[in-house]
Amino acid sequence: LAKTTQPISMDSYEGQEVNITCSHNNIATNDYITWYQQFPSQGPRFIIQGYKTKVTNEVASLFIPADRKSSTLSLPRVSLSDTAVYYCLVGAWGGSQGNLIFGKGTKLSVKP
Amino acid sequence: DAGVIQSPRHEVTEMGQEVTLRCKPISGHNSLFWYRQTMMRGLELLIYFNNNVPIDDSGMPEDRFSAKMPNASFSTLKIQPSEPRDSAVYFCASWSTGAVQAFFGQGTRLTVV
Repeated sequence: LAKTTQPISMDSYEGQEVNITCSHNNIATNDYITWYQQFPSQGPRFIIQGYKTKVTNEVASLFIPADRKSSTLSLPRVSLSDTAVYYCLVGAWGGSQGNLIFGKGTKLSVKP
Repeated sequence: DAGVIQSPRHEVTEMGQEVTLRCKPISGHNSLFWYRQTMMRGLELLIYFNNNVPIDDSGMPEDRFSAKMPNASFSTLKIQPSEPRDSAVYFCASWSTGAVQAFFGQGTRLTVV
């Protein structure tokens, strides 16, 4: 499994764009990059997944450089409700190898 | 679909008692995961099943913990005997092979006194 490294915590203010970078130097050819979000007292929920270049959905954007050794989750114009822990996961498509391993994640605090 | 359903939502028990946590995965999902979350250790994968078969239980902390999946729609995580250090939030998640995401339940908050 590719090991991931991401900041322990980040602070931001409402309305700002937040970028959380994850390093995964040992990513394999078949691996995808997936981000989950966890609010207090809730289970993690899927935000976005990508393989290369850029992926965008209604919640976030995911930027992946050509070497795929890192990725950046971008949250546009955050609000107080975006305060959560964000996890970066790297693993093969479909999780059939049991690679749903979560690290410590990045605790994002959004202030008014 | 109602999503992944866990029960109970909260459990308070005395040290030494047996505790059973329950999970109903999303219909059609063939993988099921059990996690434990604490402030100190974060979100730990305890065990996962594929097609009702335990694939990797290396995360199970000790023999006091056991998990079963008798059919595709039900799984249990049992702790016997329970200890105060088992206090945590336990999550269950299910996944359909080839799908993009796993879905988590609301968790069971276990307190052992």
